Order: sequence, then C-alpha cells, then structure tokens
Amino acid sequence: RKEVEQDPGPFNVPEGATVAFNCTYSNSASQSFFWYRQDCRKEPKLLMSVYSSGNEDGRFTAQLNRASQYISLLIRDSKLSDSATYLCVVNTPSGGYNKLIFGAGTRLAVHP
Amino acid sequence: GAGVSQSPRYKVAKRGQDVALRCDPISGHVSLFWYQQALGQGPEFLTYFQNEAQLDKSGLPSDRFFAERPEGSVSTLKIQRTQQEDSAVYLCASSLAPTSLAGAGNTQYFGPGTRLTVL
Repeated sequence: RKEVEQDPGPFNVPEGATVAFNCTYSNSASQSFFWYRQDCRKEPKLLMSVYSSGNEDGRFTAQLNRASQYISLLIRDSKLSDSATYLCVVNTPSGGYNKLIFGAGTRLAVHP
Repeated sequence: GAGVSQSPRYKVAKRGQDVALRCDPISGHVSLFWYQQALGQGPEFLTYFQNEAQLDKSGLPSDRFFAERPEGSVSTLKIQRTQQEDSAVYLCASSLAPTSLAGAGNTQYFGPGTRLTVL
C-alpha cells in the first residue's frame, strides 16, 4: 500500500463547478500536509498548506482529519486555469529529519 | 529572485551511457533534495543534503545512482550505465531551513526538472 493515496481521476468538470479531491496517508506520525499543483511538463508548486482547523485561500479550501488520516481539497467556481494535476503531499519524520511523500496526483480538466 | 535551476532540461542517453544532472538551488538554501518522477506518478524521494552532508540516500534505486554537493550549493546527480527504467523526470528542490525544523522555512521550491530518456 502506498504511503499517500489519492483519487485516481481524471476529473472533467465544466467551468464554475465545485470539485473535491481526497487523499489518505498511512503514517500516523506525519506532521504537516500540503497540496501542490503541477501543470503539464512543469515542476510542482506549493498550492497551500493544510491545517487541522481547515484553511481557505480564495476559491480553495483544504481540510485535515488526523484521526482518519484524511486530507481534502475543495475548489469552488472552477476556472479553465485550474486544469492541472493536484498532488497530495505529507511531511513525515524519517531518521531525524522530515521527508515529503507525494501522492500520485489527481488530474483535473476544466472545460468551457 | 532566481529560483532553482537544473541542466540540462532534456537528456537522451543510449543504454549503458553515464549521465550527470546538475542542480543550482536557491542561494542560501540549506536543504537540497532530488526526486524521480515517472510518467503519471508523483515525485519519489531519492536523496537529501543538508549543506554538503548527504543525510539520506535511501531512495536511490541502485548503486548506479550517486549524488554529491561538495560545497553545499550546486549538486550533481550521476547515473552510471543507464538503463531504460531510468527514464523519468529528475526534479531538484531546495528549502531554506534544515528539514528537522518546522515552519515556512521548510517549503520546498522545485526546479523545472531534467527529462531523461534512455534508448
């Protein structure tokens, strides 16, 4: 079983739709959590950190449930420019330092 | 300011050839990471440097893979006797702080990657 698992996608949605991505992680010692965005043939870029209290950044809302080891990302009012792969990322202790573990990513395609 | 840069951006190698991939991290960043990203997958950790010290190389797939960061800035990932399964994008990332510390200094900034194709 992979350490970080995500919805496989792809998600094909019309502009203006609300879409939600889910992610689970297996290491209960994981300390911090992120969503990265990766455009086709580009490097991953940090979209937002995820906190237990839930956090919002414009149209994006991220939530963390430590008890269930579950992370989510909600995108409201989807734009064409939101089309990308969204990577769930978990920061996990490993040998005295922290290591980022990436999910395989969920592809989102927003169409007119 | 300048971000993480990597060179070459694309590399085609014949099976059995040695390759060297370069990463220039953001100036002053203590931590440097190498990842391998296969098609349709997320980046997989290869190795981690804190300054010039290689603290973790557990992700390197075989002893054909070797990484160094001799002066604590530029890093090179070398792959000897390349095989077809080595074909992937190799990403480098750097962060300001040692990863043992929590906080915004741990944010990893990625370079554009080197796309390696082994024929």
